[in-house]
Amino acid sequence: EAGVTQFPSHSVIEKGQTVTLRCDPISGHDNLYWYRRVMGKEIKFLLHFVKESKQDESGMPNNRFLAERTGGTYSTLKVQPAELEDSGVYFCASSQVPGGEETQYFGPGTRLLVL
Amino acid sequence: RKEVEQDPGPFNVPEGATVAFNCTYSNSASQSFFWYRQDCRKEPKLLMSVYSSGNEDGRFTAQLNRASQYISLLIRDSKLSDSATYLCVVTPFTDKLIFGTGTRLQVFP
Repeated sequence: EAGVTQFPSHSVIEKGQTVTLRCDPISGHDNLYWYRRVMGKEIKFLLHFVKESKQDESGMPNNRFLAERTGGTYSTLKVQPAELEDSGVYFCASSQVPGGEETQYFGPGTRLLVL
Repeated sequence: RKEVEQDPGPFNVPEGATVAFNCTYSNSASQSFFWYRQDCRKEPKLLMSVYSSGNEDGRFTAQLNRASQYISLLIRDSKLSDSATYLCVVTPFTDKLIFGTGTRLQVFP
């Protein structure tokens, strides 16, 4: 069974540009999560989709970040315009059922560098 | 104050040693508790869940003390392959994972 995949693996952009990250969850997983790790800090929650609906977006830093999950399959996270502090590793995770007892499987992450 | 606090380490131990990591969390309403392992430049992977009764998986033992809001992980007979960052993770009443900054372990020959 394929795991969570993310694209691209790396992205280097200039401040003010737009970047779109993609996550493909494990097939059949209704729950999709985005997390971010900025350098020197802990991994932090961004948002949670259940199918195509946003269940919790309390971790989204500001309105420069837009997440979508049309059709309840893959998800995209767009940063527009990117700022220097957006640099970090963006992880996507998925799980079959919600709740803390269900393991969240993480993708390999997208390393974003904003210059 | 961070929601989940861990000693960042690094812990440098020889093969065969026993090493213990500790973690405290601030939200007394936290419901689920985990240890994740993260290898360098890789994604976090679940190592084990943590229960109040304590649980063991081979060389790994995890313990939860709800009264003290304290979680521990004990690794016995350390292997070179145990070298990684160990992340203490809790979930509040929602599904999101709250991570500590991680404790780095380096096992040397």
